Amino acid sequence: EVQLVESGGGLVQPGGSLRLSCAASGFIFSSYWMRWVRQAPGKGLEWVANIKQDGSEKYYVDSVKGRFTISRDNAKNSLYLQMNTLRAEDTAVYYCARAAVTTYYDALDIWGQGTMVTVSS
Amino acid sequence: DIQMTQSPSSLSASVGDRVTITCRASQSISRYLNWYQQKPGKAPNLLIYAASSLQSGVPSRFSGSGSGTDFTLTISSLQPEDFATYYCQHKYSTSWTFGQGTKVEI
Repeated sequence: EVQLVESGGGLVQPGGSLRLSCAASGFIFSSYWMRWVRQAPGKGLEWVANIKQDGSEKYYVDSVKGRFTISRDNAKNSLYLQMNTLRAEDTAVYYCARAAVTTYYDALDIWGQGTMVTVSS
Repeated sequence: DIQMTQSPSSLSASVGDRVTITCRASQSISRYLNWYQQKPGKAPNLLIYAASSLQSGVPSRFSGSGSGTDFTLTISSLQPEDFATYYCQHKYSTSWTFGQGTKVEI
């Protein structure tokens, strides 16, 4: 079964750090772009970061540039999001997602169940 | 950045109704437009990719159309399990943006 399972969420104080993990199974992880998407409570979806199959390209939404780092370990079939200098507005459910990317389309076809990050004192 | 405007933000409908949701881009995005369904407390689920291609396993009552700046998601006959929030999403250059969402309620 194709599956993504996130972990690492929790409560953290403003200015703190947290590392999210996403374990992939059931597909060839190293063949896919991977993404993080977040959803603040009661709000819509927001793309956070992308990473290419070999980790050579990474992209971030402006609001997290310089604070968040996306990475992957293809040997461990795992995706990570290192979040530093966290702010209250980073409070959200964080989803990892698999990206199906070709010349003609770019879509998120597999999603994890999400992990909640709460930034509060 | 390209702005995505989704409308309506919510709608009320009944089982069996035909429902149409629109997504408009501030500039042309060709056909790089996807639609997702999200139910409360669950992760989103891909319905339509490349504006009009039905994702595997998605019922045929869902369809997408459009290109350039104007896109539409249509549910031909609304079923009880279709009450959810729907999001459009596009990719332009190195930016990936979701619409604000449309909540489909009874």
